[in-house]
Amino acid sequence: DAGVIQSPRHEVTEMGQEVTLRCKPISGHNSLFWYRQTMMRGLELLIYFNNNVPIDDSGMPEDRFSAKMPNASFSTLKIQPSEPRDSAVYFCASSRQGGGREDEQFFGPGTRLTVL
Amino acid sequence: DQQVKQNSPSLSVQEGRISILNCDYTNSMFDYFLWYKKYPAEGPTFLISISSIKDKNEDGRFTVFLNKSAKHLSLHIVPSQPGDSAVYFCAAYGGSNYKLTFGKGTLLTVNP
Repeated sequence: DAGVIQSPRHEVTEMGQEVTLRCKPISGHNSLFWYRQTMMRGLELLIYFNNNVPIDDSGMPEDRFSAKMPNASFSTLKIQPSEPRDSAVYFCASSRQGGGREDEQFFGPGTRLTVL
Repeated sequence: DQQVKQNSPSLSVQEGRISILNCDYTNSMFDYFLWYKKYPAEGPTFLISISSIKDKNEDGRFTVFLNKSAKHLSLHIVPSQPGDSAVYFCAAYGGSNYKLTFGKGTLLTVNP
């Protein structure tokens, strides 16, 4: 079975450019999470979708960040305009149900973003 | 403000010996704790978990211990194997059913 798929795996862009990260969750999962990993802050939750609806976007750092989930099999995280401090690894994860202590989150391989 | 702290960025052990990874937390609302393992260029994968109503959970070579009074948990790997070399993240749930709070991770290296 395919796991969570993320693209691109690596992205290098210049400050001010728009960046779009993509995620395909595991089929049948109805929860999707976007995380960011940095040296300073570790892994932190950016936004959580359930049944394609954004439930909690309190972790989105600024208005430059936006996320969408137009259908159950696709989500995007967009940064516009990008800044060097956005450089990080961005992970997408999905889970079968609506979260919960025993609802395992399955992570994708991540997108390493470098903003010059 | 790090609510889940892994104070050792790295740990090195010999194959066959015990690996002990530590994690401290500050939020009293945390009631479920997990350990994730991460290899380079891959996402974290779930390893083992423990509810706050327990003080120990065991799964094969992996055991997690929880000391609620000290707000401390540890992951024991016995015996350690070279394939265990990875970054280990401690994570916790509390107050919501979906928000995981992660530590910064500990890089474990198991030497043959």
